[in-house]
Amino acid sequence: DIQMTQSPSSLSASVGDRVTITCRASQSISYSLNWYQQKPGKAPNLLIFAASNLQSGVPSRFSGSGSGTDFTLTINSLHPEDFATYFCQQSYSSFVTFGPGTKVDIK
Amino acid sequence: EVQLLESGGNLVQPGGSLRLSCAASGFTFSNYAMTWVRQAPGKGLEWVSSIGSDGDTTYHADSVKGRFTISRDNSKNTLYLQMNSLRAEDTAVYYCATYHCTTSSCYRNYENWGQGALVTVSS
Repeated sequence: DIQMTQSPSSLSASVGDRVTITCRASQSISYSLNWYQQKPGKAPNLLIFAASNLQSGVPSRFSGSGSGTDFTLTINSLHPEDFATYFCQQSYSSFVTFGPGTKVDIK
Repeated sequence: EVQLLESGGNLVQPGGSLRLSCAASGFTFSNYAMTWVRQAPGKGLEWVSSIGSDGDTTYHADSVKGRFTISRDNSKNTLYLQMNSLRAEDTAVYYCATYHCTTSSCYRNYENWGQGALVTVSS
């Protein structure tokens, strides 16, 4: 199976901050990387697909980049509703795997 | 509006069985592949099983292979997960979600999710 890691596991930030989360795959997955946001008690919400494509309805302050094994999710100018946990997911293999998550909380 | 509604979650003893259902509406169910993803309390997301739009192709994670079976009934717009030989480590919220496949590729970005069904395995 393809293993996914994320860093950091958690971070504290303030409204208006720029936040960057990194995801790494154990082998090359081309551009087959998706990002999700999850709030407590809710289902995950797709933010970015195929590494850098913004899902319909997702604010443009979210962006993704990367290819191969290294990927980044960036949130420009953090809004109050962005405090949540973020997961990366590789969709290169039929046997999908998720990263362990990055919790973004209020400083 | 796309809606996915899971049901069947419950408290079950170790070694027991349970069947989850995911009722779909608001889209052409038979055009979409489907998946189950679970989340243990306070933990991350774990992919469980996937099934093609016609039900002919299925995949299961190693952690559930031989115990869980994914299936679908396109005439009822419903996805299922039959769970047998349940273990304490299967305790989780189980989500169903959609993804899209063409004749040549599958795009396993999960656009639509249900609200989840809680399965608790405990004596």
